Amino acid sequence: DGGITQSPKYLFRKEGQNVTLSCEQNLNHDAMYWYRQDPGQGLRLIYYSQIVNDFQKGDIAEGYSVSREKKESFPLTVTSAQKNPTAFYLCASSPVDRSLEQYFGPGTRLTVT
Amino acid sequence: RKEVEQDPGPFNVPEGATVAFNCTYSNSASQSFFWYRQDCRKEPKLLMSVYSSGNEDGRFTAQLNRASQYISLLIRDSKLSDSATYLCGGGYQKVTFGTGTKLQVIP
Repeated sequence: DGGITQSPKYLFRKEGQNVTLSCEQNLNHDAMYWYRQDPGQGLRLIYYSQIVNDFQKGDIAEGYSVSREKKESFPLTVTSAQKNPTAFYLCASSPVDRSLEQYFGPGTRLTVT
Repeated sequence: RKEVEQDPGPFNVPEGATVAFNCTYSNSASQSFFWYRQDCRKEPKLLMSVYSSGNEDGRFTAQLNRASQYISLLIRDSKLSDSATYLCGGGYQKVTFGTGTKLQVIP
């Protein structure tokens, strides 16, 4: 079955540690996105990538980094510089012919204490 | 003003009722619009895409009003299983999402 996978579903880290969230898709989609969702807030765009080896900052990129070495994979690193990292992180992808129509993975809930 | 705004609700409606949500957007260059359904602690799932004036899929109808810069979602014959948060999104080169409207269908 085609889809987007994110792992792990729940992640706990101590403050000051970097952590990498995985996102893989087998939909052959060109574009991939990372969002965070906080309670009572909408989805906020962190980074996005429209082709391999290229990515752009979203609205809240500070404290995060990404890479896009393969079409299928778009990992997100939450660094210790991110001041409020506890959130629900969602990865999405979209096909080239409907580039804004996004399909989401199941998300990773990150808790940093 | 937020780029995409929605009434957070909750909308509490009886089973079988018709309910409508609106979503306003401020970027007049926005071309593509979407409605997503999000269940508690789950990912958003694409419900409908709206590229022109509207779209219909069974009990769900989405309308786009470019002059007044809003999109709407109409749900007819509400089911208990329609209870969820409905997110709207729109944009030109990237999508901006609203905070969602919570719907509770009651027996």
